[in-house]
Amino acid sequence: AQSVTQLDSQVPVFEEAPVELRCNYSSSVSVYLFWYVQYPNQGLQLLLKYLSGSTLVKGINGFEAEFNKSQTSFHLRKPSVHISDTAEYFCAVIQSDGGATNKLIFGTGTLLAVQP
Amino acid sequence: NAGVMQNPRHLVRRRGQEARLRCSPMKGHSHVYWYRQLPEEGLKFMVYLQKENIIDESGMPKERFSAEFPKEGPSILRIQQVVRGDSAAYFCASSPPAGDGEQYFGPGTRLTVT
Repeated sequence: AQSVTQLDSQVPVFEEAPVELRCNYSSSVSVYLFWYVQYPNQGLQLLLKYLSGSTLVKGINGFEAEFNKSQTSFHLRKPSVHISDTAEYFCAVIQSDGGATNKLIFGTGTLLAVQP
Repeated sequence: NAGVMQNPRHLVRRRGQEARLRCSPMKGHSHVYWYRQLPEEGLKFMVYLQKENIIDESGMPKERFSAEFPKEGPSILRIQQVVRGDSAAYFCASSPPAGDGEQYFGPGTRLTVT
């Protein structure tokens, strides 16, 4: 079964510093990859997605992620964070094998805590 | 175009009662997914429905939980005889028929069982 690993449960960082949130997935077949953000007591908002093509994906709010097939990773980066980026970030995967269900398999999330 | 709507946003039930959670997908979306988020955990897939059909319910608990998506009206996730362990945030997501896998999430229903 597929799984997604987010090794860091919490990442503290100072405002305007760069940040990287790590994500690794287990599947050896083609996958679609997503990063979602969840602000307190809200639903999930899509930050970016990788379906195919360029391995560097740019998303909203200045975030980007790089798909690395050999390392089965999809790490999220931002060169300079703001206080407003404080939130929970979830990496997710769909197995793109033409199956009937595009269910998302989520990691356990990383809390990005931006400090002034 | 309104987003995915879920109601109620907060629901309190006593043990043994029934909980009904509603989800109205985005306009033009015929695929609905339900996920559950337990405290301090990520989201777990529960069920995937299309209009009048359950496509995949592999993540649903075997008992007390059911879901439907009728031809008219919202999708309903029903939990009978709730227990404290059912306390969680339940999220609905929708996608269009020929989408690329991206799902659009509602704000969630936070169920508290007392």
